[in-house]
Amino acid sequence: EAGVAQSPRYKIIEKRQSVAFWCNPISGHATLYWYQQILGQGPKLLIQFQNNGVVDDSQLPKDRFSAERLKGVDSTLKIQPAKLEDSAVYLCASSLGSKTQYFGPGTRLLVL
Amino acid sequence: DQQVKQNSPSLSVQEGRISILNCDYTNSMFDYFLWYKKYPAEGPTFLISISSIKDKNEDGRFTVFLNKSAKHLSLHIVPSQPGDSAVYFCAASDADSNYQLIWGAGTKLIIKP
Repeated sequence: EAGVAQSPRYKIIEKRQSVAFWCNPISGHATLYWYQQILGQGPKLLIQFQNNGVVDDSQLPKDRFSAERLKGVDSTLKIQPAKLEDSAVYLCASSLGSKTQYFGPGTRLLVL
Repeated sequence: DQQVKQNSPSLSVQEGRISILNCDYTNSMFDYFLWYKKYPAEGPTFLISISSIKDKNEDGRFTVFLNKSAKHLSLHIVPSQPGDSAVYFCAASDADSNYQLIWGAGTKLIIKP
């Protein structure tokens, strides 16, 4: 069974530029999560989707971050404009509706 | 307000010995706990979980113990192997929060040959 796929793996941009990340969850997993992980900390949930509906986006900085999950499968997370403090690893995870989440390899973002 | 705490940033263990990683939590509503392992430049990998109705769950070399009265769980790895060197995250969740994971800060485990 294929795992959660993410691209790109690495991205370097300058502040005020925009960037987008893509995630393809495990086949059949209805729930999809985007996390931000800063070095030395646990992942911080940004947004949770159930199929193509948003369950929780309370920690998503909506002035610059947006996410969508069209057709309830793939998802994209966008940052526009990026700030220096957005440098982090962005993780996508999916679950079948169970309590266990499975993670992709992450996208490492560096904002200069 | 850290609801899940891993108080040891790092732990060094001799190969073949037991590794014990600890995690404390404050929210008594948590009813499901997980351990994830993370290698550099990779996403967290699910390792083992335990429901609050149990006090022990075992999977091969990995055993998780839950002490609800102390709000404490631990992960035992026996015997420790070099490939176990990674950062281990404890996470907790509950039904009222749709099982959203609340994470500890992680413990870096180093297995010495």
